[in-house]
Amino acid sequence: AQSVSQHNHHVILSEAASLELGCNYSYGGTVNLFWYVQYPGQHLQLLLKYFSGDPLVKGIKGFEAEFIKSKFSFNLRKPSVQWSDTAEYFCAVISYNQGGKLIFGQGTELSVKP
Amino acid sequence: DTAVSQTPKYLVTQMGNDKSIKCEQNLGHDTMYWYKQDSKKFLKIMFSYNNKELIINETVPNRFSPKSPDKAHLNLHINSLELGDSAVYFCASSQDVFSISTDTQYFGPGTRLTVL
Repeated sequence: AQSVSQHNHHVILSEAASLELGCNYSYGGTVNLFWYVQYPGQHLQLLLKYFSGDPLVKGIKGFEAEFIKSKFSFNLRKPSVQWSDTAEYFCAVISYNQGGKLIFGQGTELSVKP
Repeated sequence: DTAVSQTPKYLVTQMGNDKSIKCEQNLGHDTMYWYKQDSKKFLKIMFSYNNKELIINETVPNRFSPKSPDKAHLNLHINSLELGDSAVYFCASSQDVFSISTDTQYFGPGTRLTVL
């Protein structure tokens, strides 16, 4: 079945460590890609998105992601995490052949130790 | 000036009851959605409306009935609540789901439903 897969269920880092969260999808054709963040007890906020153009996209709060079409991947990165980055991170994909449905990965919980 | 708002934020009710969750967006968007987030935080789309018309209806029990009185509002009514309905329900909106090349969804704060 077509899907969005996030590699890590729970990532624990110390402050100032670098972060990379993996995301792979299995939809063919043109896709739009998103990373959302959900801070504890809060709603989803858009971190960044890719529609077209430069495959390296920069988002809010120092996050960036790279779209690698050949690998069907859209990994999220941040060079130096902070305690305030502790949250759940969701990768999501809209595929043209999915009727506009936003399909989410299962989420990665990031815990940053002060 | 909240973009996507939901009421109530928390809803605790007994099995078998009927309840509604309301959603409003002031972004001028044409498309609105309901998502369910389960206890493992997995998010799945339930419904989508574009200009008051239903366009996405996932395999959701017919106890769930969305209603869109106008394109700024999308309410979710749930009949005969069951224990398995306990979840966080998120409303979202986007400019126009048919403009897939540019469409971005913005989420409301969520409604935590607990069925006892």
